[in-house]
Amino acid sequence: DAGITQSPRHKVTETGTPVTLRCHQTENHRYMYWYRQDPGHGLRLIHYSYGVKDTDKGEVSDGYSVSRSKTEDFLLTLESATSSQTSVYFCAISGRMNQPQHFGDGTRLSIL
Amino acid sequence: AQSVTQLDSQVPVFEEAPVELRCNYSSSVSVYLFWYVQYPNQGLQLLLKYLSGSTLVKGINGFEAEFNKSQTSFHLRKPSVHISDTAEYFCAVSDQQGGSEKLVFGKGTKLTVNP
Repeated sequence: DAGITQSPRHKVTETGTPVTLRCHQTENHRYMYWYRQDPGHGLRLIHYSYGVKDTDKGEVSDGYSVSRSKTEDFLLTLESATSSQTSVYFCAISGRMNQPQHFGDGTRLSIL
Repeated sequence: AQSVTQLDSQVPVFEEAPVELRCNYSSSVSVYLFWYVQYPNQGLQLLLKYLSGSTLVKGINGFEAEFNKSQTSFHLRKPSVHISDTAEYFCAVSDQQGGSEKLVFGKGTKLTVNP
């Protein structure tokens, strides 16, 4: 398995609180991605990174920010969580453009 | 922008029967195509990929898919399924043009294999 670790694996928090999810990789891959998975929607891209300090928005970026200060870490932040952000969040990595992405095990986030 | 349509949201089959999961994508000059599988409470695992070359692609666990450019399809098939194939399957497309690094996923097909 590709060396991808997501933390935490589960989190329950309240509306209005800040939340940060971490994705850590040991593969030295250039590209890192954050997706959310919701029933009936498949996976939707939130943000992605194509290098240290280089990030771009995906399909559903509103309400989320990201940072990548090191190759191995990609952080997803919900500045003020809302109930609509309750979801399962997946991190993915790939070494080259348009090559298969490898996924972490996901973080289940519940916002009450 | 690319889009992916998985024509069936749920597919129930009996064990040892053949199965086909359908995937169509929006037209583009050239694409990369992928199928992923997700078992309950797990991340996505790559089943197979089409990057170039032969249009019949073989993957893990006995699955195969055929790239059909004229029909913009990439259907997934298995001649005989097992109970352990019960999972959700996602088709994804990556656009080669414009330097896009992004995959677009279909909404998934839940395959249920019954004894």
